[in-house]
Amino acid sequence: SQTIHQWPATLVQPVGSPLSLECTVEGTSNPNLYWYRQAAGRGLQLLFYSVGIGQISSEVPQNLSASRPQDRQFILSSKKLLLSDSGFYLCAWTKGSSGELFFGEGSRLTVL
Amino acid sequence: EDQVTQSPEALRLQEGESSSLNCSYTVSGLRGLFWYRQDPGKGPEFLFTLYSAGEEKEKERLKATLTKKESFLHITAPKPEDSATYLCAVRSYTGANSKLTFGKGITLSVRP
Repeated sequence: SQTIHQWPATLVQPVGSPLSLECTVEGTSNPNLYWYRQAAGRGLQLLFYSVGIGQISSEVPQNLSASRPQDRQFILSSKKLLLSDSGFYLCAWTKGSSGELFFGEGSRLTVL
Repeated sequence: EDQVTQSPEALRLQEGESSSLNCSYTVSGLRGLFWYRQDPGKGPEFLFTLYSAGEEKEKERLKATLTKKESFLHITAPKPEDSATYLCAVRSYTGANSKLTFGKGITLSVRP
């Protein structure tokens, strides 16, 4: 069966510091991968998606970036965090034409 | 632009008191309506996908229905363990990938 892992689960970072969140999918090959952010009182916001190694599409202009160095690995990064980057970050995967997304457990980021 | 509106924002029920959660949507061409359950501090868990008006799906105490403008998640005789946030999302024809647009969610509390 397929599983998805995210880490770290929680992170407290000062403004201006770098960020790296990692996501790995197991049990499948060539998945579509996604990064979402969930802020209090708002819906899930799609940040990036990837259909293959090195292929990244950005949905929202911001100071975050994403990379896909391996087929089942998706990384969310920032060089300098802003207070507004605080939130709950979710990695998700899908495969095929069904459109059903399967989410990881999430990473809670607090920028102080 | 796809839009999803969920109502009410929060719902408190007594154990055994059946009710319905509403998801209204506007899309250019529906390729699926998805329901998820999210527990506090966790990633969303997939529940159902509906593709066409008139379609219904059931899982334990939950039944999802779909019309051309909205979807309902009916909860029959809820139990305290049904307490969670329920998210609705739509997938449209625009774009080649499974980009879902999410509503803000409905927080359900079931009192014993």
